[in-house]
Amino acid sequence: QVQLVESGGGVVQPGRSLRLSCAASGFTFSTYGMHWVRQAPGKGLEWVALISYDGRNEYYADSVKGRFTISRDNSKNTLYVQMSSLTAEDTAVYYCAKDLGRSGWFFDGWGQGTLVTVSS
Amino acid sequence: QSALTQPASVSGSPGQSITLSCTGTSSDIGTYDYVSWYQQHPGKAPKLMIYDVSDRPSGVSNRFSGSKSGNTASLTISGLQAEDEADYYCSSYTSITTLVFGGGTKLTVL
Repeated sequence: QVQLVESGGGVVQPGRSLRLSCAASGFTFSTYGMHWVRQAPGKGLEWVALISYDGRNEYYADSVKGRFTISRDNSKNTLYVQMSSLTAEDTAVYYCAKDLGRSGWFFDGWGQGTLVTVSS
Repeated sequence: QSALTQPASVSGSPGQSITLSCTGTSSDIGTYDYVSWYQQHPGKAPKLMIYDVSDRPSGVSNRFSGSKSGNTASLTISGLQAEDEADYYCSSYTSITTLVFGGGTKLTVL
């Protein structure tokens, strides 16, 4: 059973940085692509980034490109996202999500989310 | 990349069938059969209901079905039940190697 547990959220000042982590279990982490998806309070879902199973390929939404960096440590079954130059528009619940493993980017496992609040 | 367009709300009575729409462009839904649908109950993480336009993951009720025509995808829920009341989001892979979601539809079971 897929289990994903995010951590690292909290309140951060505009312009500062924050790193989120996602601990994975219940599946062979090193064989699946992993995503970050966020949801601003009361708003819809927004895809943030994808990293391939081996970490060689990364893809980003335009809204975070150049500011966020997705990474993974397959030896620790852990996914990360380093977020910098944060603004109020980055305030959201951040979910890590497991890729289904097919072409097309589908998310068949989700964490419970961690809330990031960007505020002075 | 603009969000896919979904109606803000839809309602139906128990036992009825309802269809949720999701309109994109030729850069996403119109070109790729990589459309999925997610169900999200309040305070919970989303759940994959449909992928590849019309495939259901194991464990998802066959009351849920998906289809696509041109730039528009649809999710049909038959035999509507109280537990189906939730927000539903569509998503599609795009030509610029990103993924776009719809704004979400709030389904109310009357």
